[in-house]
Amino acid sequence: GENVEQHPSTLSVQEGDSAVIKCTYSDSASNYFPWYKQELGKGPQLIIDIRSNVGEKKDQRIAVTLNKTAKHFSLHITETQPEDSAVYFCAARNFGNEKLTFGTGTRLTIIP
Amino acid sequence: GAGVSQTPSNKVTEKGKYVELRCDPISGHTALYWYRQSLGQGPEFLIYFQGTGAADDSGLPNDRFFAVRPEGSVSTLKIQRTERGDSAVYLCASSLGRGGWTSGGEQYFGPGTRLTVT
Repeated sequence: GENVEQHPSTLSVQEGDSAVIKCTYSDSASNYFPWYKQELGKGPQLIIDIRSNVGEKKDQRIAVTLNKTAKHFSLHITETQPEDSAVYFCAARNFGNEKLTFGTGTRLTIIP
Repeated sequence: GAGVSQTPSNKVTEKGKYVELRCDPISGHTALYWYRQSLGQGPEFLIYFQGTGAADDSGLPNDRFFAVRPEGSVSTLKIQRTERGDSAVYLCASSLGRGGWTSGGEQYFGPGTRLTVT
């Protein structure tokens, strides 16, 4: 089955700087890669996703890049703000298999 | 519009007891998923419904776990003879169904039910 690894497990950045979180996946059949943000006591919130027919997707301060050959994808947050502090999870699946396989999460702390 | 709702938000039960956890998906979403999240970990898949039927239950850890979705909307996750190792946050998600190359299949999560088995 699919295995997703995520790094780093914790990340602290100064407010206004950029943050990058990286994930690798094992199943070359995976073609859908969402990112979720989870705040304390809440469920995961979908913030951006990418399908394997594109290499990059951007939504305001958030972008995701995908390298299918290397089987890794990354989340980029620019101009970080205190409200970006949360745990971020990457995930992977393929369209024929509905279950998401998640990484172990990255705790992002924005230092004011 | 209303998101995925889950009840109760917290459940404390004694070892050996039976519990039911409820999920109300987003209106119109045909697919429903249950995941379990242990402390410090990512969610782990349990079961997926398409309509009323369980399309994939490969993540259920053993036969003490069972889920139903009798009318294709609300779902109940049932755990018999609870064990301390069952303590976790149980998350429900829903989606419009299978995804494709341009859209679809996005899973939206509820706030979860924190289950504590003492």
